[in-house]
Amino acid sequence: EVQLVESGGGLVQPGGSLRLSCAASGFTFRSYWMTWVRQAPGKGLEWVGNIKPDGSQTYYVDSVKGRFTISRDNAKNSLYLQMNSLRADDTAVYYCARDSLGWHPLDYWGQGTLVTVSS
Amino acid sequence: QTVVTQEPSFSVSPGGTVTLTCGLSSGSVSTSYHPSWYQQTPGQGPRSLIYNTNTRSSGVPDRFSGSILGNKAALTITGAQADDESDYYCVLFMGSGIWLFGGGTKLTVL
Repeated sequence: EVQLVESGGGLVQPGGSLRLSCAASGFTFRSYWMTWVRQAPGKGLEWVGNIKPDGSQTYYVDSVKGRFTISRDNAKNSLYLQMNSLRADDTAVYYCARDSLGWHPLDYWGQGTLVTVSS
Repeated sequence: QTVVTQEPSFSVSPGGTVTLTCGLSSGSVSTSYHPSWYQQTPGQGPRSLIYNTNTRSSGVPDRFSGSILGNKAALTITGAQADDESDYYCVLFMGSGIWLFGGGTKLTVL
């Protein structure tokens, strides 16, 4: 069974940093693109960025470019989101998700972890 | 800045058919955008329904179908049931590795 479990969320002050983790199991992690998606309270989904299976390529939405970094450790079956220079509008539930083959993005999702940016 | 558009809300009667759409603020949606659809109920993570325009994800009943209608992607639910009451999101591939979600449609079954 595919499982994705996010952790690392919490309260952080504006301008601060936070690192989210996503532990993957039930599939060959090193073979899949992985994605982070966020959802601000009461709002819709926002695609944040993704990473190639070998970690050699990443893509980001413009609003997080230069502040967020996606990485992975295939030996640990783990995905990461390093968030720097956090702003109030980064407050959201952050989901990690798997991208499957055949133009099937986000086929499995984690339960999400809440990040609150506030002073 | 391109925006992916969805109806903010829609209602359908139990047993009825509803079509939700996914468009672009500028231009037409085609299969080249590889539209996918997701269902989200309150407090839950999203669930994949349809990918690559019209392929159902594993375990999704055939009441759900995807297509291109005119210049938009479409999600059609036939024989709507009470537990179809959810938020529905589409996502489009915008090129250069980037995907973009629509704002979501809140579907009410009543």
